[in-house]
Amino acid sequence: KNEVEQSPQNLTAQEGEFITINCSYSVGISALHWLQQHPGGGIVSLFMLSSGKKKHGRLIATINIQEKHSSLHITASHPRDSAVYICAVWTSGSRLTFGEGTQLTVNP
Amino acid sequence: DAGVIQSPRHEVTEMGQEVTLRCKLISGHNSLFWYRQTMMRGLELLIYFNNNVPIDDSGMPEDRFSAKMPNASFSTLKIQPSEPRDSAVYFCASSFRPSTDTQYFGPGTRLTVL
Repeated sequence: KNEVEQSPQNLTAQEGEFITINCSYSVGISALHWLQQHPGGGIVSLFMLSSGKKKHGRLIATINIQEKHSSLHITASHPRDSAVYICAVWTSGSRLTFGEGTQLTVNP
Repeated sequence: DAGVIQSPRHEVTEMGQEVTLRCKLISGHNSLFWYRQTMMRGLELLIYFNNNVPIDDSGMPEDRFSAKMPNASFSTLKIQPSEPRDSAVYFCASSFRPSTDTQYFGPGTRLTVL
């Protein structure tokens, strides 16, 4: 079992839908990243969380440390949100471990 | 600032050759990360530095890989000798601090070893 698991692996949505991507981890962590990788390959860091909730535009990230779970939400999804979303955790031992990614496709 | 700069953007080489990938950090950043991405294994952290010192190199595949920071703004990742299984996209990223600050990624170097 991977230390970091994402679900779903693939997600197809219609423009305007509310989207949720989940990340569960099995180790103690100090922080969690959400990354976005565009179809062209570039990687952007969306959020870094150690507790609570963060919001940036239409994106919201939450983390529940007790449940070892984080979610990334996209409101009013748009085709330009189509990308791979990757969850990564800094373990308490200062090691960075990645989930396998969620491929999101938003159709117009 | 121009962001994290990587060179070359594409490299095609033959098995057994030495390959050097280069990365320039964002000015003022103290932490540098080297990643490798393949279809089979996804994104993997190879090594990261803080204040020019390697902190965790447990992701470096084997002795054929080495990474250095000759100064605070520049890093190299060297593969010698290269093998076809090293073919991947190699990203570097920088941040102010390693585990508490946002990382900024370079555009990546696509390496093909024939």
